[in-house]
Amino acid sequence: AQKITQTQPGMFVQEKEAVTLDCTYDTSDPSYGLFWYKQPSSGEMIFLIYQGSYDQQNATEGRYSLNFQKARKSANLVISASQLGDSAMYFCAMREGTGTASKLTFGTGTRLQVTL
Amino acid sequence: KAGVTQTPRYLIKTRGQQVTLSCSPISGHRSVSWYQQTPGQGLQFLFEYFSETQRNKGNFPGRFSGRQFSNSRSEMNVSTLELGDSALYLCASSPISSTGFYGYTFGSGTRLTVV
Repeated sequence: AQKITQTQPGMFVQEKEAVTLDCTYDTSDPSYGLFWYKQPSSGEMIFLIYQGSYDQQNATEGRYSLNFQKARKSANLVISASQLGDSAMYFCAMREGTGTASKLTFGTGTRLQVTL
Repeated sequence: KAGVTQTPRYLIKTRGQQVTLSCSPISGHRSVSWYQQTPGQGLQFLFEYFSETQRNKGNFPGRFSGRQFSNSRSEMNVSTLELGDSALYLCASSPISSTGFYGYTFGSGTRLTVV
């Protein structure tokens, strides 16, 4: 079973509009972390936002916010006031457990295109 | 603060050859992990090193190996290259903490083409 599911292969949004990128996850570990990364065509993975499983409030970082619905196991990324520079691939990822050995499991990504 | 440095950025190798990729983590970060990204399989975890020890390994054949040095720099090696090894190889460094949040900072990757 997929641990991280991103159901939107591609999304279009107009400049200055808000957009929501979907992510659902599957884990039985009570302690986990959810990440969103942006990957422009250059290839580098750029960290955007993090949500811990025990965090009471939804994470926010500037124009990025994470709509965390624990019971539904979803962690959607909301980008407000889209800019042309936001055009890129976006990946949702999960780290299970805490401390020692760790790895990220990634979704398949969503390609976001911001238009004028 | 310098970021994660991966060298080389691009590499072209022939089937059957071997290749070594290098990753210098952020100063003070002791964990280095490697990921392979291909159009077909997406992003897949290769392995993670912490204090020169491999702590976690993904589901890859033994042709893929790595190591970490005392200064936390890491190398990964792929022997007997196959066409399917063509990919973007990403390295991530992390400060690792036993509690709370710790993030992963990625390098720009090494794009390997096997011909």
